[in-house]
Amino acid sequence: DAGVIQSPRHEVTEMGQEVTLRCKPISGHDYLFWYRQTMMRGLELLIYFNNNVPIDDSGMPEDRFSAKMPNASFSTLKIQPSEPRDSAVYFCASSLSGSNQPQHFGDGTRLSIL
Amino acid sequence: GQQLNQSPQSMFIQEGEDVSMNCTSSSIFNTWLWYKQDPGEGPVLLIALYKAGELTSNGRLTAQFGITRKDSFLNISASIPSDVGIYFCAGHLSGGSNYKLTFGKGTLLTVNP
Repeated sequence: DAGVIQSPRHEVTEMGQEVTLRCKPISGHDYLFWYRQTMMRGLELLIYFNNNVPIDDSGMPEDRFSAKMPNASFSTLKIQPSEPRDSAVYFCASSLSGSNQPQHFGDGTRLSIL
Repeated sequence: GQQLNQSPQSMFIQEGEDVSMNCTSSSIFNTWLWYKQDPGEGPVLLIALYKAGELTSNGRLTAQFGITRKDSFLNISASIPSDVGIYFCAGHLSGGSNYKLTFGKGTLLTVNP
């Protein structure tokens, strides 16, 4: 079975550029989550969607970050303009609906902003 | 936000040894999950626990949901080199969203052959 698929796996870009990260959740999963992982702060939830609708975006660090889910099989996380402090590994995860379902993670996008 | 205290931060052991790590919180959790992350990959779910006192095994791994619902441990028996990685505890906070996970900071496990 295909897991959560993220692209690109690595992205290196200069500060000020727009960055778009992509995620395809596991088919049939109603919930999609975006996380950021750094050494200092560990795994942080940025935003999550239910049935393509954003439910909680309180973890989004600032207005430079935006996320969309135009359909059940695709989501994007966009950073515009990017800054060096945005360098991190960004993970997408998905889960079934139902209370306390475990989340299944993609392999992440390693983002470096120069 | 709510923090899970995961310990130890790192462990260096010999192949064949048993390993134990744990997570504690001052708040009550409805679930406890244990994930493993290999370098360059995302966290992979190892064990999910849903009831206080629950003890669950997955091969050489055993995890328990503490009776107080504020702690959990993960044991690995007879460690092998491929057990190397970062182990994370995570949980759904009681009274919070049933969809938001709180993560510990991880335990880095190194196994010497």
